[in-house]
Amino acid sequence: KQEVTQIPAALSVPEGENLVLNCSFTDSAIYNLQWFRQDPGKGLTSLLLIQSSQREQTSGRLNASLDKSSGRSTLYIAASQPGDSATYLCAAYSGAGSYQLTFGKGTKLSVIP
Amino acid sequence: GAGVSQSPSNKVTEKGKDVELRCDPISGHTALYWYRQSLGQGLEFLIYFQGNSAPDKSGLPSDRFSAERTGGSVSTLTIQRTQQEDSAVYLCASSLRQGANTIYFGEGSWLTVV
Repeated sequence: KQEVTQIPAALSVPEGENLVLNCSFTDSAIYNLQWFRQDPGKGLTSLLLIQSSQREQTSGRLNASLDKSSGRSTLYIAASQPGDSATYLCAAYSGAGSYQLTFGKGTKLSVIP
Repeated sequence: GAGVSQSPSNKVTEKGKDVELRCDPISGHTALYWYRQSLGQGLEFLIYFQGNSAPDKSGLPSDRFSAERTGGSVSTLTIQRTQQEDSAVYLCASSLRQGANTIYFGEGSWLTVV
C-alpha cells in the first residue's frame, strides 16, 4: 500500500527566501506525482504534475523534481511571497488498477512579509 | 462548466439523518473522484468513477456510504444515518481520463453532524 509523507508539517520563512518542500513515497512504481496547493477553507489547486518518465516540471517560480529510485519529490519555490502562504500537498498516483491518488498530510507554509 | 462544482457548500444535519452531496465535474471529464478531508487529517480516498461505473469503491468507510453517477456527468454521494464521525469536508475531483491527467478539485461540501 502506497504511503506518502511530507516533512516538515509546517514551515515559516521571510518573504523573498527560496524554499524546498519535501515529499516521500514508499512504492516507487508510481504513474505520476502531483503537487497541489490548498488555501484555508478552499479546495485543492493543481500546481504541477510530473509523469513517471520525467525528472522535473517547472511553472513560473515553482519547480518540482521526481526521483523514483529514492522515492522522493521536492517542490522548490523561488523568491517566496506572502501570497504563497498555503498548505502544499503532494499526491502519488500508482495506476496499475489503483485509480486513487494517495496524498500526504501537507506542509503548511507561512511567508512572513 | 468552468470548474468542478459541488453543492451544498455547507450542510449541518442531525445525527441519524441522510444527506446527499452533489458534484458537477468539468464538462467532458470522464473520471470523477470523491475524497474526504477530516480536521487535521489528510485526504482520504472514497470512490472513483470512470464514466458511470465505479471500478474502485475501496475507500467507502461503511455501507452507510454510497455514490452514483449518471449520464457520465453528475455524481451524488449519499450518507445514510449520519454519525458525528462523518463530519468532514467532502471533496469531488475530475480529470479528462483516469490517471494521466491533472486532477481538478471542487471547493468541497462541508458537512457537520450534530
